[in-house]
Amino acid sequence: SQTIHQWPATLVQPVGSPLSLECTVEGTSNPNLYWYRQAAGRGLQLLFYSVGIGQISSEVPQNLSASRPQDRQFILSSKKLLLSDSGFYLCAWSVHRGSIVTGELFFGEGSRLTVL
Amino acid sequence: GEDVEQSLFLSVREGDSSVINCTYTDSSSTYLYWYKQEPGAGLQLLTYIFSNMDMKQDQRLTVLLNKKDKHLSLRIADTQTGDSAIYFCAEEGSSNTGKLIFGQGTTLQVKP
Repeated sequence: SQTIHQWPATLVQPVGSPLSLECTVEGTSNPNLYWYRQAAGRGLQLLFYSVGIGQISSEVPQNLSASRPQDRQFILSSKKLLLSDSGFYLCAWSVHRGSIVTGELFFGEGSRLTVL
Repeated sequence: GEDVEQSLFLSVREGDSSVINCTYTDSSSTYLYWYKQEPGAGLQLLTYIFSNMDMKQDQRLTVLLNKKDKHLSLRIADTQTGDSAIYFCAEEGSSNTGKLIFGQGTTLQVKP
């Protein structure tokens, strides 16, 4: 069966420090992968998505970057965190039905980032 | 542009029906989705509906779609305390990408 893991679950970082959140998927190959952010009291905002190794699309201008060094690994990074980067970060992958990429997403448990 | 709107809060008594409403703007969405988020956790897909359907029923869940008004609703019959969560409506941002536009989420509080 397919599983998705994110870590760390909770992170408290000072302004200006670097960030690395990792996501790995098991039980599927060549998944589309996504990073979403959920700010307090708000919906989910798509930050990045990837259709394959080394292929990253950024959805919104921001202080963050993403990388996909392996098929089932997706990393969210920052060189210098801002206060506004605080939030709940969710990694997800989507189900393929043949050649169709669906909106049936499987989410990780999330990483809560607090920037002080 | 694309936008999905939901009311933020709904409170019901255990055993009652809950109806969570959503409006969307992109009439080209092929599917519309409902996700559930329990406290401190990721989202789980609850159900989805194909855009040429009016209704879909899955056990206690009923999804109604009014494509003319771009209105989607999720009805939970016999609501239980375990149904307390945030419910997100979502439409496809662009087809065949898996990119979704989510609403702000409706917090459902179920009182015993």
